[in-house]
Amino acid sequence: AQSVTQPDIHITVSEGASLELRCNYSYGATPYLFWYVQSPGQGLQLLLKYFSGDTLVQGIKGFEAEFKRSQSSFNLRKPSVHWSDAAEYFCAVGDAGNNRKLIWGLGTSLAVNP
Amino acid sequence: NAGVTQTPKFQVLKTGQSMTLQCAQDMNHEYMSWYRQDPGMGLRLIHYSVGAGITDQGEVPNGYNVSRSTTEDFPLRLLSAAPSQTSVYFCASSFRTSGSTDTQYFGPGTRLTVL
Repeated sequence: AQSVTQPDIHITVSEGASLELRCNYSYGATPYLFWYVQSPGQGLQLLLKYFSGDTLVQGIKGFEAEFKRSQSSFNLRKPSVHWSDAAEYFCAVGDAGNNRKLIWGLGTSLAVNP
Repeated sequence: NAGVTQTPKFQVLKTGQSMTLQCAQDMNHEYMSWYRQDPGMGLRLIHYSVGAGITDQGEVPNGYNVSRSTTEDFPLRLLSAAPSQTSVYFCASSFRTSGSTDTQYFGPGTRLTVL
């Protein structure tokens, strides 16, 4: 069965530091991979997605993610974190064979110290 | 475009009461869905629809009904509210009928408390 694991429940970084949020998935074929962000009290917003092609994808707000098939990972990165990046981050995986729903990770909560 | 709108933003119910959470989108999206979000449990799919007149159950459908009479609207009905339904509810939509391969657009959420 498909599954998504976000190993880090909570991460704290200092403003200006680099960030990497981990996402591992379990899926047989090439997955459709997404990162969403949820600011406090808000709905979720798409940061970036990977379907095929270049394994390094760029998203909004300066985020990027790299698909590594050999590691079944899709980690989210940002070179320099801003205080406004404090939010909840969700990784999700889908597939064309079962196109009814996404499989969601439980999320990583990011806090940013000034 | 207003995107995905949800009403109300907040609601308090007593056990046994019924109510309808409203969701509308103005993007002509085929796929719409309802999630609930609870601490430590992430997002769980309640019901979804791939077009007007077509609905199906997600992971946690018990206690909820949906209908999709138009492309724009996808209301969620709580038949007899229970404290276990205290949660934040999100409606989402996507352009194509695939809910797993297309970008989801989320509403701002409804925070529901059942006493």
